[in-house]
Amino acid sequence: DAKTTQPNSMESNEEEPVHLPCNHSTISGTDYIHWYRQLPSQGPEYVIHGLTSNVNNRMASLAIAEDRKSSTLILHRATLRDAAVYYCILKETSGSRLTFGEGTQLTVNP
Amino acid sequence: EPEVTQTPSHQVTQMGQEVILRCVPISNHLYFYWYRQILGQKVEFLVSFYNNEISEKSEIFDDQFSVERPDGSNFTLKIRSTKLEDSAMYFCASKTQGTGNQPQHFGDGTRLSIL
Repeated sequence: DAKTTQPNSMESNEEEPVHLPCNHSTISGTDYIHWYRQLPSQGPEYVIHGLTSNVNNRMASLAIAEDRKSSTLILHRATLRDAAVYYCILKETSGSRLTFGEGTQLTVNP
Repeated sequence: EPEVTQTPSHQVTQMGQEVILRCVPISNHLYFYWYRQILGQKVEFLVSFYNNEISEKSEIFDDQFSVERPDGSNFTLKIRSTKLEDSAMYFCASKTQGTGNQPQHFGDGTRLSIL
């Protein structure tokens, strides 16, 4: 699986937008970009995914660079409940597994 | 919203004993997974299962591990002779299709403690 690079940690204030970056310079043309998060004492939770175009859902937005070598997960208004480890994962079309890295620990300040 | 459920939430077992971790995937899902997370470490893939057989497994998934879908709803992970290093959170996941663009849905895990 192609590797992703994320900052170890980030901080945000409640009700402010958060931009979580991910670099994936060795991404292949068929890799999807998936984001999951893990709240304390819970299993990973799917957030969003995309291939080439920017994507929006009720949880977040995903902005994908034109060359696909980086992406940014956008939480439009952070809440305390958004404090979690966020994982950026490249997923092959044919493969089964998700390969988790260290992720970014997001702290949300009241 | 349908969810993956795992039981028990916490399992304490003596080293060398067999343990079975249970999962009920989302009902219309066809692909099933087990992952584990040792305390303070990354989430690691163990195995994927489709059409009543293993479709992919990691190097962690050795002969002491097995998976089974004994009926239409349960998906189990058996560890035959547990070791201290098997202590971890074990997460079950499921998804509808095999293509790369479908998300996996995870349960909240079973904490396995080996004494």
